[in-house]
Amino acid sequence: KNEVEQSPQNLTAQEGEFITINCSYSVGISALHWLQQHPGGGIVSLFMLSSGKKKHGRLIATINIQEKHSSLHITASHPRDSAVYICAVSSDNNNDMRFGAGTRLTVKP
Amino acid sequence: KAGVTQTPRYLIKTRGQQVTLSCSPISGHRSVSWYQQTPGQGLQFLFEYFSETQRNKGNFPGRFSGRQFSNSRSEMNVSTLELGDSALYLCASSFDGTGRHEQYFGPGTRLTVT
Repeated sequence: KNEVEQSPQNLTAQEGEFITINCSYSVGISALHWLQQHPGGGIVSLFMLSSGKKKHGRLIATINIQEKHSSLHITASHPRDSAVYICAVSSDNNNDMRFGAGTRLTVKP
Repeated sequence: KAGVTQTPRYLIKTRGQQVTLSCSPISGHRSVSWYQQTPGQGLQFLFEYFSETQRNKGNFPGRFSGRQFSNSRSEMNVSTLELGDSALYLCASSFDGTGRHEQYFGPGTRLTVT
């Protein structure tokens, strides 16, 4: 079993829909990261969180440490949100990030 | 501040050759991590360097090596290339290499081994 599990693997939505991507992990962590990867490969860090909730524009990330679960929400989705979203965890002592397999999101106009 | 840069962006090599990839971190960042991304295995941690010392290493064979210079720039080397080494190689920099600081990723080097 992978240490970081994401669901769903693929997600297709219509523009304007509310989207949720889930991440569960089985190891101790100091932080959980949500990353965005567009075609071409570049990765952008969206959130780094260790408790509670963070919001940037239309994106919201939550984490429940007790349940070892995090969610990434996109409100009012747009075709430019189409990308692969990757959940990753890091420990306190080092940058050995463990990654989920990613969720491929396609938002249709 | 300039972002993380990687050179070259694309590379084609033949089996058995060796390759060196370069990563320049964000100014002031002392930690550089390297990752391999393949369609089959996803993103995997290769190694991390901090202050010219390798602090952590993933589960890769000894053909994969790296180093870090005094200006925090890092190189990774893959010797005796195999077809399975074809991948996107990403580096990321962070301030002090702990899990408490965000990592910033470079654009990657896409290596094709023929």
